[in-house]
Formats: sequence, structure tokens, C-alpha cells
Amino acid sequence: DVKVTQSSRYLVKRTGEKVFLECVQDMDHENMFWYRQDPGLGLRLIYFSYDVKMKEKGDIPEGYSVSREKKERFSLILESASTNQTSMYLCASSAPGQLNEKLFFGSGTQLSVL
Amino acid sequence: AQTVTQSQPEMSVQEAETVTLSCTYDTSESDYYLFWYKQPPSRQMILVIRQEAYKQQNATENRFSVNFQKAAKSFSLKISDSQLGDAAMYFCAYKPRAAQKLVFGQGTRLTINP
Repeated sequence: DVKVTQSSRYLVKRTGEKVFLECVQDMDHENMFWYRQDPGLGLRLIYFSYDVKMKEKGDIPEGYSVSREKKERFSLILESASTNQTSMYLCASSAPGQLNEKLFFGSGTQLSVL
Repeated sequence: AQTVTQSQPEMSVQEAETVTLSCTYDTSESDYYLFWYKQPPSRQMILVIRQEAYKQQNATENRFSVNFQKAAKSFSLKISDSQLGDAAMYFCAYKPRAAQKLVFGQGTRLTINP
């Protein structure tokens, strides 16, 4: 089975801190995604990457950046955390045109910014 | 813009009964995929069922089936013989065939009453 691993299940940070959320997948998938999940808003795409060092903005990229130096790893960076970035962050991966276009998800990181 | 709308924030059903979750979407594309994902309390997103837009036959996976109405842009999920393990958040999602990213709805929280 494909495994998508997010480095932290829960994270508490202070306003203004630089925050790194890490995601690793073990199936050599080209695509990787960062979504943010908020009650009543569902999942919203922050950034995605379709290859190493390639990235595209999603629907809500403001306040975030990403890094993909290796195919298996996709990092989400909050340059200066703010309280409105308190949320659940979900990482996902997929192989374009394969596996019925299925997204494989990590278990999420619940981030609290105080 | 492509949007997915789930108009039922919460639903509840008695164990062993049938429940239908609603989803509508807006797109000008003709070739796309539709998905239902389940997120149990463990937070691990699981693909429940998938439909390809060019297939007229509604997808079925054991107790889960969809009612896909392409002209109406409607994609509802029917769960038969509801079980306690079906309790979860359910997300409807859409992906154009040529795109890599999924667009998600707001989610419906399903409660199963014993």
C-alpha cells in the first residue's frame, strides 16, 4: 500500500515563527499536494507539485511556500505563522493517469498558532 | 471557476437504514472524474467510490452507490445498510481529466445512530 507520512500529528507554534510541515511518500508519485481543511470550507488547495523543483499555486497560496528538492518529499513552509493559519493540513500524492486518478493522503497535521 | 457544493453539513441515519448524501458541481468541462472520500475520526482519507463522466452507468462499491446526473451536474452518494463504521466526514470531489488537482466540497458529517 502507498504510504504518505506527515511528520507531525499535532503542532503548536507561536505567532511569527517559521513553521515547516513535512510530507514523505513512498510510491514514487509525481504529484504531491498540500491542502488545508477547515470546518464548513472543506479542503482547499494551497500548493501542488508535479515534479521535483516544480510547483504551482493552488487556491489559497498566500502566506505559504513549498519546497520539493526530492521526489518523495514535499514541504510546506509558513514563513511567519499567524493565528488565521490555525488549521488541519493534509498532504496527498498521486500518479497522473494511474491508479484511477486516486489521491493518497497522509493523516494530517493539526496546527495551532497561538 | 470549478466548484463543488455539498449542501448538507450534517446528516444522521439509523443503523441498517439507507442514507443519501448530496453533491452538485459546476464545470464547463465534458470529461472529468468525480469522487467520494471518507474521513473517519482517525483523519485518514479513504476513497469510497469514483465515477468517470463519460460512463453513463452509475458506479457501485458494495453498499455504496452513486446517482450521477451529468446534465444536472449532480453526484449523490447512497449508503445502504448503514453501519456504525460508516460514521465519518464525507467529501465530494471533482477533477477534470486533463488536470492534476482535485476540487473538494465542504463536507458532510454523517452520524450513525445505533
